[in-house]
Amino acid sequence: AQKVTQTQTSISVMEKTTVTMDCVYETQDSSYFLFWYKQTASGEIVFLIRQDSYKKENATVGHYSLNFQKPKSSIGLIITATQIEDSAVYFCAMREGASSSFSKLVFGQGTSLSVVP
Amino acid sequence: GGIITQTPKFLIGQEGQKLTLKCQQNFNHDTMYWYRQDSGKGLRLIYYSITENDLQKGDLSEGYDASREKKSSFSLTVTSAQKNEMAVFLCATGTGGYEQYFGPGTRLTVL
Repeated sequence: AQKVTQTQTSISVMEKTTVTMDCVYETQDSSYFLFWYKQTASGEIVFLIRQDSYKKENATVGHYSLNFQKPKSSIGLIITATQIEDSAVYFCAMREGASSSFSKLVFGQGTSLSVVP
Repeated sequence: GGIITQTPKFLIGQEGQKLTLKCQQNFNHDTMYWYRQDSGKGLRLIYYSITENDLQKGDLSEGYDASREKKSSFSLTVTSAQKNEMAVFLCATGTGGYEQYFGPGTRLTVL
């Protein structure tokens, strides 16, 4: 069965620094998709960034980027120049069934990020 | 873009009660999902629907029923609420098998 693990429960960083959040996954599929979502204090969940397993290049969107290490089954989220409003819980997720037309996601437990001035 | 609306925002029920949560979307997405989030934990899939009148069980479907009578709406029923149960129920939509878009959630408390 597919599994996603985030071992960091919480992280605290200074504003304007760079933070990396870890995520490891288990899958038998040769092709899969990995996602990061952000859940704010209000409970809103927002999609941030996606990595397709067949792509060697790390995905980048704004000040979010990924460190995809396929041999280690690892997909780290990197946030550069952190801002106070980046404080949230970050979830890593993996899609089962790469050939499907719909997306059944398996989520990690989440990492709580606190950005302090 | 679009909007996902979940009603009610807060739901308080009694043990053994049947409770229904509703979700509406105007993304015009085919697939809709119901997740449960317990405090401090990740999301677990309860039910999903690929199209109108389709229902698929997720990992946590026991104790729940779902209904998809229209493309734009997806309902979830807690068939018998459990005492001291507290969780947030999140509706999501998606298309093309990639990222999902989430509603604001319904917070359930069972007395």
